[in-house]
Amino acid sequence: ILNVEQSPQSLHVQEGDSTNFTCSFPSSNFYALHWYRWETAKSPEALFVMTLNGDEKKKGRISATLNTKEGYSYLYIKGSQPEDSATYLCSLYSGGGADGLTFGKGTHLIIQP
Amino acid sequence: EAGVTQFPSHSVIEKGQTVTLRCDPISGHDNLYWYRRVMGKEIKFLLHFVKESKQDESGMPNNRFLAERTGGTYSTLKVQPAELEDSGVYFCASSPNRNTQYFGPGTRLTVL
Repeated sequence: ILNVEQSPQSLHVQEGDSTNFTCSFPSSNFYALHWYRWETAKSPEALFVMTLNGDEKKKGRISATLNTKEGYSYLYIKGSQPEDSATYLCSLYSGGGADGLTFGKGTHLIIQP
Repeated sequence: EAGVTQFPSHSVIEKGQTVTLRCDPISGHDNLYWYRRVMGKEIKFLLHFVKESKQDESGMPNNRFLAERTGGTYSTLKVQPAELEDSGVYFCASSPNRNTQYFGPGTRLTVL
């Protein structure tokens, strides 16, 4: 069974502060890692797809890094804004016989004005 | 370009009833996936279609769930008969390949 762990489960951050959270996964089961941003009642929005060890990707104030050897990815948000409030989901595609993404429980981020 | 759409957005049914959820993928996407999120837990994979063929249905919980994708366009997921533990948000996603999956907004199913 593939476990994807995200921490922390929830996070309150003051507007303007920067923050980061973690996704951990078994380093032996890896093909691609996906980060999604999800607001309740809306479609989860794809942020990044990462495949290579050492990958760093950036989209505006949000960036992510990947370490496949030690099995973790960090998501960073610089200068948090209220619109960043959402649940950030990490998911793994391990290839092989399983076609679907394996998700973590998510990090629920609340930006306080 | 229209995104993945799902219908209905909410459904409330009684235990023992039947419910059919619909997903319209992004036009031209051969890959279609169904997922489910039970409250407090992670999103879990149910099954994967490539065009009209079921490629992987290893995540389907039991035989009360039936997914179809006739003609390789939209897909339906039927739950019959529904049980209390089937409550949750059912997501559909589509993809032109096996990289980024584009998700719909989900159908929130409540079984009373």
